[in-house]
Amino acid sequence: GQQLNQSPQSMFIQEGEDVSMNCTSSSIFNTWLWYKQEPGEGPVLLIALYKAGELTSNGRLTAQFGITRKDSFLNISASIPSDVGIYFCAGQLLKLGGGGTSYGKVTFGQGTILTVHP
Amino acid sequence: DAGVIQSPRHEVTEMGQEVTLRCKPISGHNSLFWYRQTMMRGLELLIYFNNNVPIDDSGMPEDRFSAKMPNASFSTLKIQPSEPRDSAVYFCASSFSSGNSYEQYFGPGTRLTVT
Repeated sequence: GQQLNQSPQSMFIQEGEDVSMNCTSSSIFNTWLWYKQEPGEGPVLLIALYKAGELTSNGRLTAQFGITRKDSFLNISASIPSDVGIYFCAGQLLKLGGGGTSYGKVTFGQGTILTVHP
Repeated sequence: DAGVIQSPRHEVTEMGQEVTLRCKPISGHNSLFWYRQTMMRGLELLIYFNNNVPIDDSGMPEDRFSAKMPNASFSTLKIQPSEPRDSAVYFCASSFSSGNSYEQYFGPGTRLTVT
């Protein structure tokens, strides 16, 4: 099956620093998703990417869908304490179903634990 | 707007007991997913439904686990009999699959402890 390698596993940074994390896959995806999970909560979708080469921003967050369709990165600029949490990448290979619908299994990375020191 | 609703939020049970976890997806969504999260294995997809039909249950650990989606607004994940190794946080997620859109929205999870 498809495997995702997410790195780094954890990061300890000072407030104000920029953060970068990435995911690589053994096979292609046609959708990349980035989620953030805080303690006691479910993952929350941050950014969704649908095209190879696509670069998308959401506030201080920027993510890119790699040209090879096998990788993606997430950058956080000027980190703040509330950025603390676990960040997950997820890849999906969509398949067309009946009636114009599409579906596909989502594979999650292992997560990057981000700690921001004030 | 209400997000994905899961109940109970916490469940503590003894080994051998039956456990039923419940999920109400976001209204209008046509896909529903059950995940299990542990420190050792991370987020694992157990099963997902599209238009109430199970599409992929290859992640269901064993016959003790079963999931149903009797209608578009409700799903259950049942473990019978439960074992200590089933202790984990179980998430339900839903999405609306249309074209390229397949963004999953997660519920708050059910923390299951089997003693």
